[in-house]
Amino acid sequence: DVKVTQSSRYLVKRTGEKVFLECVQDMDHENMFWYRQDPGLGLRLIYFSYDVKMKEKGDIPEGYSVSREKKERFSLILESASTNQTSMYLCASSFPLVADTQPDEQFFGPGTRLTVL
Amino acid sequence: SQELEQSPQSLIVQEGKNLTINCTSSKTLYGLYWYKQKYGEGLIFLMMLQKGGEEKSHEKITAKLDEKKQQSSLHITASQPSHAGIYLCGADPDSNYQLIWGAGTKLIIKP
Repeated sequence: DVKVTQSSRYLVKRTGEKVFLECVQDMDHENMFWYRQDPGLGLRLIYFSYDVKMKEKGDIPEGYSVSREKKERFSLILESASTNQTSMYLCASSFPLVADTQPDEQFFGPGTRLTVL
Repeated sequence: SQELEQSPQSLIVQEGKNLTINCTSSKTLYGLYWYKQKYGEGLIFLMMLQKGGEEKSHEKITAKLDEKKQQSSLHITASQPSHAGIYLCGADPDSNYQLIWGAGTKLIIKP
């Protein structure tokens, strides 16, 4: 079974702190994604990566950065946490897109509920 | 920008009853994905639909994609407490890596 793990289920940080959220997948997936989920807004893509050291901005990258030094690990960094970054953060991974086919399903981690005080 | 509208936003259903959740796009989609999320947890993949008119079933859950590939419905027959959770639809509008997502439907099953 594909397994996507996230470093913490719950995290409480203070405004201005630097926050690292880690995601690891064990299925050799090329694609990895970071989303945040807020009530009534669904999932919003922050960043995604389609290969080691490659990254692309999603819909809401402001205030975040990412790192993909190894294929299995994708880190989300909040350089200076703010209260409006309190949210549920979900990591996902998938196989790469093959021409003329549907994107593969994304496999999700359990999520990290981050509270910024 | 492309959006997915999900309805209803929340649903309370008596155990044993049937229910339907809808997901609508203003544009034709390349693919439509249904996921379920237990409260406070990650998403679990349910089904993916690609072709207009396609229908898939798994246990008591059936998903359909209309001929125009702009609307999908998720139907649960004889609902059980285990069906409770948040159902999200995701779709591929451009045949690339990025999916767009509906806001989710919160389903509560009353015993």
